[in-house]
Amino acid sequence: DAGVIQSPRHEVTEMGQEVTLRCKPISGHDYLFWYRQTMMRGLELLIYFNNNVPIDDSGMPEDRFSAKMPNASFSTLKIQPSEPRDSAVYFCASRPSGTYNEQFFGPGTRLTVL
Amino acid sequence: QQQVKQSPQSLIVQKGGISIINCAYENTAFDYFPWYQQFPGKGPALLIAIRPDVSEKKEGRFTISFNKSAKQFSLHIMDSQPGDSATYFCAASATDSWGKFQFGAGTQVVVTP
Repeated sequence: DAGVIQSPRHEVTEMGQEVTLRCKPISGHDYLFWYRQTMMRGLELLIYFNNNVPIDDSGMPEDRFSAKMPNASFSTLKIQPSEPRDSAVYFCASRPSGTYNEQFFGPGTRLTVL
Repeated sequence: QQQVKQSPQSLIVQKGGISIINCAYENTAFDYFPWYQQFPGKGPALLIAIRPDVSEKKEGRFTISFNKSAKQFSLHIMDSQPGDSATYFCAASATDSWGKFQFGAGTQVVVTP
């Protein structure tokens, strides 16, 4: 299994630009999570989906952030417009259903907004 | 409000020594406590996990100790090796939380040769 796939691995953009991060979860996993990691705030859960349906988006910082999961094998996290404070590493994770199953993390996308 | 509090923030230990990381929680509904290990430039990966029906779980050099009454759990790394240098996160989840994890702030462990 290829694991969770994220693209791009690195993104450098200018303030005000739209940024789209992509994630392909592990096949058969029912849950998908988007996290943001920074030195100051650690690992923050932004939003998560179950069977492609958003369950909890309370961690999304503001309306500039949006996430979609059009099918079981693809999700996007979009920031529009981007700001320098959005610079962080964004992780996607997936897990199968069941109480004690682990979350499998992707390699992350390092976003730098200039 | 952080639901899982982790300490210390960083730790330096000599090769062969013991690394100890502590976590505390408040939500008594938590029933799954994993530890994740993250190397620079990589995503976190599950290291070891415990359920509250046992007080200790050991896998190789890594041991979780769990104290349900104190609502605390800890990770012990025995015979620490330079390859163990990483950031460690504790986490907790509840059965009714849709698989959502509450992560601690992380502990950066450096093992010196």
